[in-house]
Amino acid sequence: NAGVTQTPKFQVLKTGQSMTLQCAQDMNHEYMSWYRQDPGMGLRLIHYSVGAGITDQGEVPNGYNVSRSTTEDFPLRLLSAAPSQTSVYFCASRSDRRGELFFGEGSRLTVL
Amino acid sequence: QQQVKQSPQSLIVQKGGISIINCAYENTAFDYFPWYQQFPGKGPALLIAIRPDVSEKKEGRFTISFNKSAKQFSLHIMDSQPGDSATYFCALINTNAGKSTFGDGTTLTVKP
Repeated sequence: NAGVTQTPKFQVLKTGQSMTLQCAQDMNHEYMSWYRQDPGMGLRLIHYSVGAGITDQGEVPNGYNVSRSTTEDFPLRLLSAAPSQTSVYFCASRSDRRGELFFGEGSRLTVL
Repeated sequence: QQQVKQSPQSLIVQKGGISIINCAYENTAFDYFPWYQQFPGKGPALLIAIRPDVSEKKEGRFTISFNKSAKQFSLHIMDSQPGDSATYFCALINTNAGKSTFGDGTTLTVKP
């Protein structure tokens, strides 16, 4: 099992560009989520999904879009990148009945 | 409004000592209280977790103490080792919905 796989690991964007962070899990987990981690601020929930076709907003959703067409994949789209979106992004998944979140290795994004 | 307050922000402990990290929360809608350990450049990994119907859980050198009435829970690391040096996050998880919230993190340094 690969667990939760995120790509790319590093990305540099210019202000206004768009991009998609990919997340895939092979554990057949119903729940998937995206977090951003900034220094001294812990992990903040951006969007989450409780199953294919179902998504909802977290704490800091502005500027990000998600979709969940399959159980395995949960991409995060930045529509028009801003310097404030410079951060490390983590994707996580968990089984519907258990609380343990499994995290990917993270994607470090820099917006110039 | 921050739903969980974690303290201290940083902690330095001598090898063999006890490390204690605390979290206080306000919203009682959560039913799973984990602690995550994160090493630099890696995603967070579950260390230990507790449900609110239990007051204490021990796994090896790691113990969670949970005080439901005070809305507090803490992580105790006994016989701290240099390999325990990492950032620790408490979290609140609602396993019946999608919401989760994390503390701001505690950077633990164990000196040899």
